[in-house]
Amino acid sequence: KQEVTQIPAALSVPEGENLVLNCSFTDSAIYNLQWFRQDPGKGLTSLLLIQSSQREQTSGRLNASLDKSSGRSTLYIAASQPGDSATYLCAVDNTDKLIFGTGTRLQVFP
Amino acid sequence: GAVVSQHPSRVICKSGTSVKIECRSLDFQATTMFWYRQFPKKSLMLMATSNEGSKATYEQGVEKDKFLINHASLTLSTLTVTSAHPEDSSFYICSATRLGGYNEQFFGPGTRLTVL
Repeated sequence: KQEVTQIPAALSVPEGENLVLNCSFTDSAIYNLQWFRQDPGKGLTSLLLIQSSQREQTSGRLNASLDKSSGRSTLYIAASQPGDSATYLCAVDNTDKLIFGTGTRLQVFP
Repeated sequence: GAVVSQHPSRVICKSGTSVKIECRSLDFQATTMFWYRQFPKKSLMLMATSNEGSKATYEQGVEKDKFLINHASLTLSTLTVTSAHPEDSSFYICSATRLGGYNEQFFGPGTRLTVL
């Protein structure tokens, strides 16, 4: 059974810092991995999708890497801003279902 | 592109009533739609997967007679919470995949259900 874990559960940093959010999964037989952002009381915003054959994806200040063999992905946020404050979820596509991690609550203060 | 909408965004109902939530793909045809629920400060849990014109596949522990799913067209799926009780209060989110979309799921904005 696929299990997805995210570390840390919560993170509070000053504006401008570079951040690394971690995601680990137990079954490496995945189709893809997605990173999402969720603001309080809102739905999900897709940030990055990495296919199983890819090693990383970049979008603006965000960079996500994938190491299938070790069951890990990282989301790197450069030069963090208060507007980045949200919960970040990773999810793995395993047998056509998305299995979500527990999330990292990020707060970036001015 | 790939916008998914949900209606209503928020609903409050009395215990024992039924509530219908709609999920629409606005600018693409959805081959598959998914329904999730999310409790406060918890992650999303998949409830069921539905394909247009066929019965939904429910996850273990999800009562199919309580959470009725209808996927009548390639752009619309509905979730009906029947005889709702306070423990059904939750945030319900749908998602959809599109043909040729590498299984990428596009999520709706969610529906907050409160059962009094």
